[in-house]
Amino acid sequence: QVQLQESGPGLVKPSQTLSLTCTVSGGSISGGSYYWSWIRQPAGKGLEWIGRIFPGGSTNYNPSLKSRVTISVDTSKNQFSLKLSSVTAADTAVYYCARVVGTTGIDYWGQGTLVTVSS
Amino acid sequence: DIQMTQSPSSLSASVGDRVTITCQASQDISNYLNWYQQKLGKAPKLLIYGASNLETGVPSRFSGSGSGTDFTFTISGLQPEDFATYYCQQNDKLPLTFGGGTKVEIK
Repeated sequence: QVQLQESGPGLVKPSQTLSLTCTVSGGSISGGSYYWSWIRQPAGKGLEWIGRIFPGGSTNYNPSLKSRVTISVDTSKNQFSLKLSSVTAADTAVYYCARVVGTTGIDYWGQGTLVTVSS
Repeated sequence: DIQMTQSPSSLSASVGDRVTITCQASQDISNYLNWYQQKLGKAPKLLIYGASNLETGVPSRFSGSGSGTDFTFTISGLQPEDFATYYCQQNDKLPLTFGGGTKVEIK
């Protein structure tokens, strides 16, 4: 059973960089026809896709965040990471890491981690 | 971006009711449409993929249909554990986008 776990600071100051890591267990981050994504959800609101990374390292980002987002992968640690720069209060949200199977959908999600942007 | 419009945004229903949620895409997405269930404080859970395919382990009272721009999600015989928020999501084109959600509440 694949499991994903987010980790990182729960509080980030405005203008700083939000950094989160997702650790994948129960399966290899490099195997299969899937990719890895970050998705966020502000309190009481809907879901926003942030971006994706393939095991080989190629990425795609949501144009709304593209200038501030970097997603990277460390296959040796079975982890992938998110960096979001120049954060504001609008970036306060629960951040999820997830596995996306081609055209099938998002089949595995982390439990989510709340990141609050505040001084 | 492809906009996904879900309706209604909320509904009240009783155990045993048939519940229908619709999702409209701003352009043709073929059948690249998925449905998720999210309970309070939890991550979403994939229920339906490819518009009408039931994810493994998901009860058969959940179903989906549609193609192109118009899609429907149905719960046939609402159970107490089904009270949650449901989201549609397209994976035809990047960025992946979600509908605004439908909160299913107890009447």
